[in-house]
Order: sequence, then structure tokens, then C-alpha cells
Amino acid sequence: EAGVTQFPSHSVIEKGQTVTLRCDPISGHDNLYWYRRVMGKEIKFLLHFVKESKQDESGMPNNRFLAERTGGTYSTLKVQPAELEDSGVYFCASSEGANYGYTFGSGTRLTVV
Amino acid sequence: QKEVEQNSGPLSVPEGAIASLNCTYSDRGSQSFFWYRQYSGKSPELIMSIYSNGDKEDGRFTAQLNKASQYVSLLIRDSQPSDSATYLCAVKNGNNFNKFYFGSGTKLNVKP
Repeated sequence: EAGVTQFPSHSVIEKGQTVTLRCDPISGHDNLYWYRRVMGKEIKFLLHFVKESKQDESGMPNNRFLAERTGGTYSTLKVQPAELEDSGVYFCASSEGANYGYTFGSGTRLTVV
Repeated sequence: QKEVEQNSGPLSVPEGAIASLNCTYSDRGSQSFFWYRQYSGKSPELIMSIYSNGDKEDGRFTAQLNKASQYVSLLIRDSQPSDSATYLCAVKNGNNFNKFYFGSGTKLNVKP
């Protein structure tokens, strides 16, 4: 079984540019999550999809962040325009149901310079 | 106050010893508790989940939960150098079963 796949693994962009992160969940997992870890801090929730619907986006920092999951398969997280404080590791995870543990992807390390 | 608190460590133990990792949480309504292991530069990997008070054993790992004290721990018996990693405590509270609150992690070093 393929795991959760994230692309790219690393991204370095300049402040003000746009970056799009992609996540392919485990096949059949309706629940898809985005989390972020900024330097020195704990991993924090960004949002949760059930299929193509946003179930909870309470963790999204501001309107520069846009997540989509068209068709209920893969998801993208776009940051536009990127700011220095957006640097960190962005993790995607998927699960079969609400009370299960997640399977995490390997993350995208975003550096905004 | 953070939702989930962990001592950042590092916790150093000799090979073969028991490593004890601790975590406290603030929401008394929390329902589900998980331990993840994260090697440097890698994704968090689920080790254990526990939902009710008491102990749960899986191989060399034992998770312990005390809801009255709002405390969850992970014991690693016969620690190996390959256990050296950061251990993340994650909690789902009673209001939203779909969101994890993570601690900042405890770094464990097992010395050969």
C-alpha cells in the first residue's frame, strides 16, 4: 500500500512569491489533513477535508493560505503571497475515520527568504 | 497554557534500559491519545494509541493513561540505539475528534 505522498519535499521561494504544495493521501482515505511545524514550535493543525469538503479550517493562519481537494483525491495547499513567517515543514496526513491515528506524509520543507 | 505539554529533553538512557516519556494535557474532555515517533527529517510514525485508563502494551512499548491526572506516558523497554528519535504526544479532545493537538516532542537518545 502506497503511503501519503507529498511534493515537493523542499521548496525555497522569495517573499511575495506563490508556492503550491501537493498531497496524495492513501487510496480510500476520505479524511485528509494539513499540519504545519514552524521552527521550534509544535506541529499545529491547519485544516481537515472529508472527501472534497472542508470539515474544519480553523487552523488556517490567514487568507494567504488556500487549500483545495477537488474530486476528493489529492489536495493542494497554496500560499500566496508567501511571507517569511510561513517557513516551516508542512505535513499532510490521511486516515480512514475520525478516531484513528493518522498516516503522515514526509512533509514539505518550505523556506521563504 | 499549551494543550499538550512535553519535556523537550533530551532524555538520555543507556542501551537496554527503560525510557520513560511523559505528557500532560489540559482538556479534561480529551478522548484519544497517541504517541508518534519522528526521526530527524522524517514524517511522524504512529507507535501507540490509547483510549481508556490503564496500560496498553505492544511489544517493547507500553502506553499508560491516567485521565484523572490528565497524564499519558510511553515506556520503552530494552531501549535500543534505533529508538533514538523525537517522540510526539498527540491528543484529540472532546470537541473535535478530527484534530490532533501535539506536544512539542521529547528527544530520546539511547547510548550504546
